[in-house]
Amino acid sequence: GAGVSQSPSNKVTEKGKDVELRCDPISGHTALYWYRQSLGQGLEFLIYFQGNSAPDKSGLPSDRFSAERTGGSVSTLTIQRTQQEDSAVYLCASSLGGIQYEQYFGPGTRLTVT
Amino acid sequence: KNEVEQSPQNLTAQEGEFITINCSYSVGISALHWLQQHPGGGIVSLFMLSSGKKKHGRLIATINIQEKHSSLHITASHPRDSAVYICAVRSGGNEKLTFGTGTRLTIIP
Repeated sequence: GAGVSQSPSNKVTEKGKDVELRCDPISGHTALYWYRQSLGQGLEFLIYFQGNSAPDKSGLPSDRFSAERTGGSVSTLTIQRTQQEDSAVYLCASSLGGIQYEQYFGPGTRLTVT
Repeated sequence: KNEVEQSPQNLTAQEGEFITINCSYSVGISALHWLQQHPGGGIVSLFMLSSGKKKHGRLIATINIQEKHSSLHITASHPRDSAVYICAVRSGGNEKLTFGTGTRLTIIP
């Protein structure tokens, strides 16, 4: 079956522009996660969805970052007024929900802010 | 101090060697994950464990809850095992993962 997909795979944008990153989870997966991997740094959690609700958005680094999920499926991560420090690989993962289930990762979107 | 510490940061070994990567954590956890990230970025979940030991092919993962420590072992290592191996934990009832900084493994033919 299809895995987690993300689009675009690469995005280059100018500082100050807004960007939208998309995640399509595995069908039937109720939990969806966004993570970020900055150059030279480890992975960090951004936000978690259960269904369309986000019970944990503690990792969003600033109010320029927001995310939504519709229909319990597709999620969009939006970064407003991008800054160079936003350059990173943004990874999405999904799972059946519940701490006993594994998370399946998408290929990521590499964002470069120039 | 990071909640999740891995060692070594880098490991180079000859093909066929037995590999051990260590992970220590400082919080109570509900589960620990071992992930593999190949050049090009794709992340694959290798193991999820909360106690004991799991084995998949040449890979073995163990966890000691009392000592807050896990190890990932690779037997008969092969150049295709070259990747970054990442330890991640789920603590309490939280869904989110907290990650170690990864171990870059290079297996030389």
